Amino acid sequence: DVKVTQSSRYLVKRTGEKVFLECVQDMDHENMFWYRQDPGLGLRLIYFSYDVKMKEKGDIPEGYSVSREKKERFSLILESASTNQTSMYLCASSHLALGLTDTQYFGPGTRLTVL
Amino acid sequence: GQQVMQIPQYQHVQEGEDFTTYCNSSTTLSNIQWYKQRPGGHPVFLIQLVKSGEVKKQKRLTFQFGEAKKNSSLHITATQTTDVGTYFCAGRAGTYKYIFGTGTRLKVLA
Repeated sequence: DVKVTQSSRYLVKRTGEKVFLECVQDMDHENMFWYRQDPGLGLRLIYFSYDVKMKEKGDIPEGYSVSREKKERFSLILESASTNQTSMYLCASSHLALGLTDTQYFGPGTRLTVL
Repeated sequence: GQQVMQIPQYQHVQEGEDFTTYCNSSTTLSNIQWYKQRPGGHPVFLIQLVKSGEVKKQKRLTFQFGEAKKNSSLHITATQTTDVGTYFCAGRAGTYKYIFGTGTRLKVLA
């Protein structure tokens, strides 16, 4: 079974703090993604990576950065947390499978509250 | 930018009734996926549709991809309490990324 793990289920931080969210997958997937989920807005893509050290902005990258130093690990960084970044953060991974089914496997999510 | 809208946002049905959620994209999609998220859980892949007009079935679930590849639907026949959750469509936008719909939250009343 594919396993995607995230470092914390719940996190509470203060405005201005630097926040690290970690994601690890054990299936040797090339692609990794960070989404945030907010009621009524669905899942919105923050950043994704299709290879080690490669990253691309998603639809809402402002206020976030990412790091992918190893294939299995993808980190999301909030440089200076703000209250509007309070959300559920979901990590996902998938094989690069052009022309085939590229299922995204999601982690359990991190509910981040910024006070 | 590219958007994928889903309707309805919420749906309450009596157990045994049918349910349909619709997904509409502002642009043509190369393929579309459907995911289910149980309350308190994370999205889990259900199916992928690729061809124009494609119809796929999984037991009581029927998935359709529109002829123009800009819309899709998920229909559940005779809902059960185990169908409760939020259903998302996700359209491929580019080589690697998908754009998720806003989701439809289904509640099934026993």
